[in-house]
Amino acid sequence: EAQVTQNPRYLITVTGKKLTVTCSQNMNHEYMSWYRQDPGLGLRQIYYSMNVEVTDKGDVPEGYKVSRKEKRNFPLILESPSPNQTSLYFCASSYIGQAHSYEQYFGPGTRLTVT
Amino acid sequence: AQSVTQLDSHVSVSEGTPVLLRCNYSSSYSPSLFWYVQHPNKGLQLLLKYTSAATLVKGINGFEAEFKKSETSFHLTKPSAHMSDAAEYFCVVSDRGNQAGTALIFGKGTTLSVSS
Repeated sequence: EAQVTQNPRYLITVTGKKLTVTCSQNMNHEYMSWYRQDPGLGLRQIYYSMNVEVTDKGDVPEGYKVSRKEKRNFPLILESPSPNQTSLYFCASSYIGQAHSYEQYFGPGTRLTVT
Repeated sequence: AQSVTQLDSHVSVSEGTPVLLRCNYSSSYSPSLFWYVQHPNKGLQLLLKYTSAATLVKGINGFEAEFKKSETSFHLTKPSAHMSDAAEYFCVVSDRGNQAGTALIFGKGTTLSVSS
């Protein structure tokens, strides 16, 4: 089954304790992206990756890191989490190129609480 | 620059009545447009997409949307609401001409409430 998986689904942590949220897709998509969702703000892009070893900042990258060492995986790293990073996070993936509609497939979400 | 405006943050309808969720967009290139739905405590599901083929797009669960370039609109409609349609809906634009990145730009969402 084609899917995007994220782990963990729920995480409560304390300020400053490094954490990683994993994302994996099995559709051989070139493009992967991380979004955060906050009430009244919709989804905002954190980082994206066009392919292996190619990453770039989205609209709200501060406080986050990513890596793309393999095509299927795109982990989100919070080196020193702060309470303002409490949010619902979504990973997404898609094909790229003019032949495609850029429809993105979303993971189930990770609800992160930083105290 | 791309942008999306969902004109209503909250829409309330009665079961069996029509649904209209309004969306206006701004795009420099030839856009792809999407509607996603998010049920409470769930991920995002694609309802329908427009990619320069037919301007009237049919999606899942009886929803459809019409792309109107002259009005820069992509409103979502359904003839008869069902209780299970209660959810948050996001209008989304992606500039297909922008090869530098295929970021989706999300509207702020419209919460649809359906009463019996």
